[in-house]
Amino acid sequence: EDQVTQSPEALRLQEGESSSLNCSYTVSGLRGLFWYRQDPGKGPEFLFTLYSAGEEKEKERLKATLTKKESFLHITAPKPEDSATYLCAVRSNSGYSTLTFGKGTMLLVSP
Amino acid sequence: DVKVTQSSRYLVKRTGEKVFLECVQDMDHENMFWYRQDPGLGLRLIYFSYDVKMKEKGDIPEGYSVSREKKERFSLILESASTNQTSMYLCASSFSARSDIQYFGAGTRLSVL
Repeated sequence: EDQVTQSPEALRLQEGESSSLNCSYTVSGLRGLFWYRQDPGKGPEFLFTLYSAGEEKEKERLKATLTKKESFLHITAPKPEDSATYLCAVRSNSGYSTLTFGKGTMLLVSP
Repeated sequence: DVKVTQSSRYLVKRTGEKVFLECVQDMDHENMFWYRQDPGLGLRLIYFSYDVKMKEKGDIPEGYSVSREKKERFSLILESASTNQTSMYLCASSFSARSDIQYFGAGTRLSVL
């Protein structure tokens, strides 16, 4: 059974204070790891897909990295508008095209 | 831009009512999904469909059914709503031949009284 664990559950940062969110996963064979952003009361919004260990992707102040056991979402010099819940999900290379999601990290960036 | 549209943002129903949640996508995606999201439990898959008239149970299918008569439309049905089905319901779609990226609708917040 695929499993995804995200830490911390919640993170409070000051504006400009860089940090990282962690996503640890157990999967029979990784086909892809996905990061989403979810604002309160809205559906998740796709950010990145990572496919193999060593891969990195960047978008504005966010950078996602992948190893064989975990992924990190690095947030550099965050702004208040980066406040959201960040979800991690994995797709195994067997079976149907379903994703297993972690419970998310709630990020609050204070001005 | 991919668009996944859920018919209602907020819905209030009474215990025992039959409830229909509708989802439409405009990108010709073959896969469609229904999740519920609850505080502390995260996103849980209820049902998914990989083709018209095809459906597969997810992790928590009890108390729900689905219908997919057309490729673009996926309906979630609560046969007899109960208070423990009060939740945020999210629909998603994906095109697995190219990628497994799931695109989500805005969600329906359902309250069962």
